[in-house]
Amino acid sequence: EIVMTQSPATLSVSPGERATLSCRASQSVSSNLAWYQQKPGQAPRLLIYGASTRATGIPARFSGSGSGTEFTLTISSLQSEDFAVYYCQQYNNWWTFGQGTKVEIK
Amino acid sequence: EVQLVESGGGLVQPGGSLRLSCAASGFTFSSYWMHWVRQAPGKGLVWVSRINSDGSSTSYADSVKGRFTISRDNAKNTLYLQMNSLRAEDTAVYYCARAHNYYYYYYMDVWGKGTTVTVSS
Repeated sequence: EIVMTQSPATLSVSPGERATLSCRASQSVSSNLAWYQQKPGQAPRLLIYGASTRATGIPARFSGSGSGTEFTLTISSLQSEDFAVYYCQQYNNWWTFGQGTKVEIK
Repeated sequence: EVQLVESGGGLVQPGGSLRLSCAASGFTFSSYWMHWVRQAPGKGLVWVSRINSDGSSTSYADSVKGRFTISRDNAKNTLYLQMNSLRAEDTAVYYCARAHNYYYYYYMDVWGKGTTVTVSS
């Protein structure tokens, strides 16, 4: 099983600041990596697929990068609605999720 | 509007059974693989099972293999998860998700709101 490890577990950021979330795979997943946003009591929402392609309707302040085993989700200027938990997921070999990064208001 | 609506969750005793349903609308259901993903209280997302578009191929996480069965009825645009021999550790919100084929790799692009399963005596 491919293990996905996200860091940090919690990220405290002020509105308007930049947030950088990391995700590492235990073996290469090529670019078969997605990012999801989940708010309390809601279903996950797809943000990024193919490591760097924004899903339909996702604002340009969200960007993804990386390939192989190291990936990054960047939120360029945090808005109030962006405070949530973010999960990375590999879909190269079955499907596994990271444990999540909680982005909270500083 | 593309929509997935889960139902069938509830409280069940250990060792009991439950069948979850996921009603799809707004897209050609029979063209898509589908998944079940679960989330225990306060925990992260865990993939449970997937089924291909015509129902001829299925896969399961080791934790549910032999106890859960995924199926679909394309005439009714509905996905199912039959859960038997339920354990306390199966307590979770269960989400169905549509799988999008991207160069023969499948990510989850649409999610339902989930249905809650509680296994307790």
